[in-house]
Amino acid sequence: QVQLQESGPGLVKPSETLSLNCTVSDDAIAGDYYWSWIRQPPGKGLEWIASISHSRSTYYNPTLKNRPTISIDTTKNQVSLRLRSVTAADTAIYFCARRSRVPASWFDPWGQGTLVTVSS
Amino acid sequence: QFVLTQPPSVSGAPGQTVTISCTGSSSNTGAGYDVHWYQQVPGTAPKLVIYRNSNRPSGVPDRFSGSKSGTSASLAITGLHTEDEADYYCQSYDSRLSSSVFGGGTKLTVL
Repeated sequence: QVQLQESGPGLVKPSETLSLNCTVSDDAIAGDYYWSWIRQPPGKGLEWIASISHSRSTYYNPTLKNRPTISIDTTKNQVSLRLRSVTAADTAIYFCARRSRVPASWFDPWGQGTLVTVSS
Repeated sequence: QFVLTQPPSVSGAPGQTVTISCTGSSSNTGAGYDVHWYQQVPGTAPKLVIYRNSNRPSGVPDRFSGSKSGTSASLAITGLHTEDEADYYCQSYDSRLSSSVFGGGTKLTVL
């Protein structure tokens, strides 16, 4: 079973850029899947951010207004997320997850998540 | 705020049955897009319990079942166990937003 592990700084200052990595186990990153970022503000619901394939085809949540950038490095088995111009509203647990090629499909499995706090 | 609407909370006693609803619109569930369900125990990552409306992943007890009709979907849990206490989220796809979308979540309390 593929495993995903998120990593990155737990604290980011307002207006700066949030950067996170997701390491995928067992070279599974080259498979026919989309690798996704999803976030959850403390005590609130889930929000899909972006997805990317091994061939670098990308999808983004339009409500985030061009702030996120998702990328993939198959040599490092990593998927990365950069989110520009963060505010306190971006404070959340950030999860990475796998999805099939079909945009309407489900996310499975998920990483354990990493908490990012935006504060000065 | 959330494209898919779920009740904030449901409850039931051990052994009882509960149902959680998920209502969308013509651009998501009503357009024929599948609904998927996740269980999230506080402090952990979401876990898939139903995919493609009514299918159970390997390892999910058959006490969990899903259905979908029109713009609405439901997750039923029969024979409640105390370990079923968690938050449950539905997920689908919205063609107007070109996005995966989630419900706001439902907190299940096992009394």
